[in-house]
Amino acid sequence: DGGITQSPKYLFRKEGQNVTLSCEQNLNHDAMYWYRQDPGQGLRLIYYSQIVNDFQKGDIAEGYSVSREKKESFPLTVTSAQKNPTAFYLCASSTAWGTGELFFGEGSRLTVL
Amino acid sequence: QKEVEQDPGPLSVPEGAIVSLNCTYSNSAFQYFMWYRQYSRKGPELLMYTYSSGNKEDGRFTAQVDKSSKYISLFIRDSQPSDSATYLCALNPHNAGNMLTFGGGTRLMVKP
Repeated sequence: DGGITQSPKYLFRKEGQNVTLSCEQNLNHDAMYWYRQDPGQGLRLIYYSQIVNDFQKGDIAEGYSVSREKKESFPLTVTSAQKNPTAFYLCASSTAWGTGELFFGEGSRLTVL
Repeated sequence: QKEVEQDPGPLSVPEGAIVSLNCTYSNSAFQYFMWYRQYSRKGPELLMYTYSSGNKEDGRFTAQVDKSSKYISLFIRDSQPSDSATYLCALNPHNAGNMLTFGGGTRLMVKP
């Protein structure tokens, strides 16, 4: 089955710790994205990558880092510099430019204790 | 003022009702208009998309875009309990790749 797999589904972290969220896709899509979702605020773009070994900051990149060493994989690290990391994180991918058809994973919920 | 405004709801309707979900926006550069459906604790899935103004129908769903009023709508006919979800509008400027601007979402509850 083609799709996007995010892991873990739920993650708890203590303040001051870095955590890495995994995102893997087997859709052969060139572009991948990380969004953050908070109640009532819609989805906000953290980072995106249009091609392997290249990525760009989105609207809320501070406190986050990414890598894109393989086409299939786009992991997100939430660093201790992120002031309010508790949120629902969504990874997406696409291949159709200009139409907005993003394919999303099931999300990872991060809670900072 | 947010670029895309959407009433968060919740909107509660009886089964079989016609549902109207709406978004307003301020940036006239938006050319592609989408509706995503998101079930609780899941990722969004694309439901409908339209380019520029007009209507598009797909089964029980109709998407409508009025660029002159900067207003988009999603109508659901014969609503079912399985339609209970959060509906997100998403807008994309022309030739900007997939840099979507999302509304905050409207939570819909269809009661049997």
